[in-house]
Amino acid sequence: QSALTQPASVSGSPGQSVTISCTGSSSDVGGYNYVSWYQQHPGKAPKLLIYEVSTRHSGVSNRFSGSKSGNAASLTISGLQAEDEADYFCESYTRDSSLIFGGGTKLTVL
Amino acid sequence: QVQLQESGPGLVKPPQTLSLICSVSGDSISSVGYYWNWIRRLPGKGLEWVGYVAYTGSPYYNPSLKSRLSITLDTSKNHFSLRLTSVTAADTAVYYCARARPPFYYFGMDVWGQGTAVTVS
Repeated sequence: QSALTQPASVSGSPGQSVTISCTGSSSDVGGYNYVSWYQQHPGKAPKLLIYEVSTRHSGVSNRFSGSKSGNAASLTISGLQAEDEADYFCESYTRDSSLIFGGGTKLTVL
Repeated sequence: QVQLQESGPGLVKPPQTLSLICSVSGDSISSVGYYWNWIRRLPGKGLEWVGYVAYTGSPYYNPSLKSRLSITLDTSKNHFSLRLTSVTAADTAVYYCARARPPFYYFGMDVWGQGTAVTVS
């Protein structure tokens, strides 16, 4: 099963908003409201940001928000800060009762 | 506060078997409900879910790895283990262990280890 499709990179200036897309199929993203998002800084472990499409994990800034439409989910980061520069991954439950991740998106804060 | 720590060999020769341990501190690994996962980050690529073992000891594997994979729970040592047979260079990755609350697909993986790098060569 192929990874979910994410843009390789996105960028934005401090204070701006960016949106990262995550495209799958009706067998995963489109079929279930079980999409999570993770942030990973270089050399660090991934950190859970969002689960169940749009629910922020405890302690996560409200600058991070998630949504879904059809077979695509999105993560929006508003009020960009330098510390947001990291890799971002989406994850979805799948029809065969497993989990699948996206290829990852590198966010650059200009 | 729950903490996870991976350990294992940094280098494995093909087609040998890779064995990793995830040590859990701050909670019992047999606490009702949790799912204990392995995830790997492949070089230059994204994350790949490897599989989990539930608090009951029941495992579930990524279908693409199922034939080579075993994940087990050791409640006496409060750790869980990964065993991947017949490794190739394609198994080179940073391997992470992580915890998920039940149901395992709903709340995401909220506690992660720092990861351990494995090279197959």
